[in-house]
Amino acid sequence: NAGVTQTPKFRVLKTGQSMTLLCAQDMNHEYMYWYRQDPGMGLRLIHYSVGEGTTAKGEVPDGYNVSRLKKQNFLLGLESAAPSQTSVYFCASRPDRDGQETQYFGPGTRLLVL
Amino acid sequence: GDSVTQMEGPVTLSEEAFLTINCTYTATGYPSLFWYVQYPGEGLQLLLKATKADDKGSNKGFEATYRKETTSFHLEKGSVQVSDSAVYFCALRAGGGNKLTFGTGTQLKVEL
Repeated sequence: NAGVTQTPKFRVLKTGQSMTLLCAQDMNHEYMYWYRQDPGMGLRLIHYSVGEGTTAKGEVPDGYNVSRLKKQNFLLGLESAAPSQTSVYFCASRPDRDGQETQYFGPGTRLLVL
Repeated sequence: GDSVTQMEGPVTLSEEAFLTINCTYTATGYPSLFWYVQYPGEGLQLLLKATKADDKGSNKGFEATYRKETTSFHLEKGSVQVSDSAVYFCALRAGGGNKLTFGTGTQLKVEL
């Protein structure tokens, strides 16, 4: 049982490049989330999903797209990376029966956009 | 809107010292309050929670009391260990809401 895993762990992009961050969970959780963490700020919700095939916007969705084609995977895409998207990205998941606070987090992906 | 304010770190302590990490909040209604811990190289984990005023959450020797009158939820531990070195996040969920609001995190370093 690996829990929540994120790929890659670290990436450097040039402005305008695209990339996809992968989040995978093996706990059969319904809900999945993408957050970003920036210096001096708390985690901010980018997008989330309440089940396979569904996605919804969070607090800071601009510049990102997501997909949940399979229940265990939640992909975060950057179509045209900008320096403002330099951040640490966290994925999380939780089962439907538990409250919002019982989220299982991945180890994070560090993204640097030059 | 809802917000959480934590003391800035890093906080550096010697082993067996007493720990306090301050957390205050602003929220509508009656929020639930949480502390998360992030160990090096890992994701956040829920450490403890309190869902109503005067509740005390506790886990692994850590405690925090929900103080409505001071809108605070300070994290305390009587005797820290090197293994407690981590980043600690205070967070809230506004009453009836489905969104978590996080503080900025406080890094704790415990030295021998």
